Amino acid sequence: DSGVTQTPKHLITATGQRVTLRCSPRSGDLSVYWYQQSLDQGLQFLIQYYNGEERAKGNILERFSAQQFPDLHSELNLSSLELGDSALYFCASSVSTGARSGDTQYFGPGTRLTVL
Amino acid sequence: AQSVTQPDIHITVSEGASLELRCNYSYGATPYLFWYVQSPGQGLQLLLKYFSGDTLVQGIKGFEAEFKRSQSSFNLRKPSVHWSDAAEYFCAVTPPFGTDKLIFGTGTRLQVFP
Repeated sequence: DSGVTQTPKHLITATGQRVTLRCSPRSGDLSVYWYQQSLDQGLQFLIQYYNGEERAKGNILERFSAQQFPDLHSELNLSSLELGDSALYFCASSVSTGARSGDTQYFGPGTRLTVL
Repeated sequence: AQSVTQPDIHITVSEGASLELRCNYSYGATPYLFWYVQSPGQGLQLLLKYFSGDTLVQGIKGFEAEFKRSQSSFNLRKPSVHWSDAAEYFCAVTPPFGTDKLIFGTGTRLQVFP
């Protein structure tokens, strides 16, 4: 158990819909990262937050957005869903202050999103 | 282009045999280097990481990796594989500049036969 929790475990929805994925980091970790794992794109970095502020952006679509709340949990919002958005979405957390440090990222179990 | 390459998509070994999983990177400077393991239905777990110093790094579960600057490689090794090592293995880097985002290779699926 990494100490990172993600809800829900599974999500099945239809095209055009909007969903919210939730992540609670390990106690004391201020940085949260979101990654997408799909068959065609592999594991891709989406976005990083540190203490409520966005720190880095990867290949995140405009239809996707995220935020980190004062209690440090984070939510990833996916809207206007398409079939290609079906993937496993991972959240990770670390003690990193946001600058490059190499601090270990601890991954949650993921949320499997299926878009029908 | 900057990238992380894992040339082997699928490797099969017998239990007790030695293992080497390959990873190459293409960056102007040496990135931070990581190996993660993903068991079926699980998240990713860090096996080991390298920033600088001794080029042979020891990790958890009996794994080690060797950094070779001349070959831009960071190969993962284990002297004797156990059936429980069957999983997908990802090499990842934190690029030389920016934040701690991880860039992953495509992964190598390890199958272990008894």
